[in-house]
Amino acid sequence: DSGVTQTPKHLITATGQRVTLRCSPRSGDLSVYWYQQSLDQGLQFLIQYYNGEERAKGNILERFSAQQFPDLHSELNLSSLELGDSALYFCASSLGASGGGEQFFGPGTRLTVL
Amino acid sequence: SQKIEQNSEALNIQEGKTATLTCNYTNYSPTYLQWYRQDPGRGPVFLLLIRENEKEKRKERLKVTFDTTLKQSLFHITASQPADSATYLCALDGGTGANNLFFGTGTRLTVIP
Repeated sequence: DSGVTQTPKHLITATGQRVTLRCSPRSGDLSVYWYQQSLDQGLQFLIQYYNGEERAKGNILERFSAQQFPDLHSELNLSSLELGDSALYFCASSLGASGGGEQFFGPGTRLTVL
Repeated sequence: SQKIEQNSEALNIQEGKTATLTCNYTNYSPTYLQWYRQDPGRGPVFLLLIRENEKEKRKERLKVTFDTTLKQSLFHITASQPADSATYLCALDGGTGANNLFFGTGTRLTVIP
């Protein structure tokens, strides 16, 4: 158990809908990362927050947004969903914002868009 | 374009042998490289980190090397066991100072008893 929790575990929805994925980082970690894993694209970095502020951005679509709250939990919002958004979404956390250091991954949320 | 390639999608070896996995990258200037293990349906688990000024790192049966000239990392598992069967991912930072990782395509290792 990494100490990172993600809810829900599974999500099935229809095209055009909006969903929210939630992540609670490991106790003491200030950085939260979101990654998307699909069969054809592998594990792709979406966005990083550090202590409530956006720190780095990857190939995150404009239809996707995220935030980190004062209690350090984070939410990833996916809107106008398309079939191609079906994937495993992982949240990870680390103590710092830079300099390396391992990332602790949550169990993931499996999103299926029908 | 930027690429992180791992030598093969799948690798089968006999129990007790050494597994060697390769990670090659193009158009990145990482300051460190990490290796993760991922089991089906689970999140990746950190194994080792090696920095750009280090040639080799070891941890128990694991060894990783990092050659910034060749733009390559090798990951070795000695005395492999069936429990080592998993997908192994290399990951590197973008060299920008942020901690976000760019992952390779992964190698699925199967250790045959």
